[in-house]
Amino acid sequence: AQSVTQPDIHITVSEGASLELRCNYSYGATPYLFWYVQSPGQGLQLLLKYFSGDTLVQGIKGFEAEFKRSQSSFNLRKPSVHWSDAAEYFCAVGLNNNDMRFGAGTRLTVKP
Amino acid sequence: DAGITQSPRHKVTETGTPVTLRCHQTENHRYMYWYRQDPGHGLRLIHYSYGVKDTDKGEVSDGYSVSRSKTEDFLLTLESATSSQTSVYFCAISETGGSSNQPQHFGDGTRLSIL
Repeated sequence: AQSVTQPDIHITVSEGASLELRCNYSYGATPYLFWYVQSPGQGLQLLLKYFSGDTLVQGIKGFEAEFKRSQSSFNLRKPSVHWSDAAEYFCAVGLNNNDMRFGAGTRLTVKP
Repeated sequence: DAGITQSPRHKVTETGTPVTLRCHQTENHRYMYWYRQDPGHGLRLIHYSYGVKDTDKGEVSDGYSVSRSKTEDFLLTLESATSSQTSVYFCAISETGGSSNQPQHFGDGTRLSIL
């Protein structure tokens, strides 16, 4: 079945440590790929997007993501996490219609 | 930030009552979307609109209807609310459709509880 999978429901990292959030998709063609962040009580904010070209994309707040076609993955990374990065992160796939499918989300906790 | 206002922000109602949620945008974007967010499911598309009076169903449309009489307003109606429709509802807008290079911008959500 077509899906977007975020294998980690909850991740805890120490402030200053590196971060990688995983995302895998199972759509046939290379889809349009997005990462969003959601702070408590708020809507989603776009971090970055991939459509084509360079497989390493840079986003806001120091985040980057790498598209790996062979692994059907689009993992989000940050070299040094700040306490303000604590939030929920969603990977999303834009389909070839007016639809966007989201993963279930990964909640990030940052330890002082 | 994109100008998206959802109202109400919170609502508690009883099973069987009708409920209407409103999304208002000031960006003049063509596309508007309604999602619901539930734990373990991420966001799921309920309905979307690609212009005034033009709407289509999403992944989880059963039990919901929508209307768009003006570019700036997109209404979501639960004709007879059920407890399974307790959720957080998000409106989103985009200049073009979801497969384009115009990602969706989201409102702050409406928390709906149906008792």
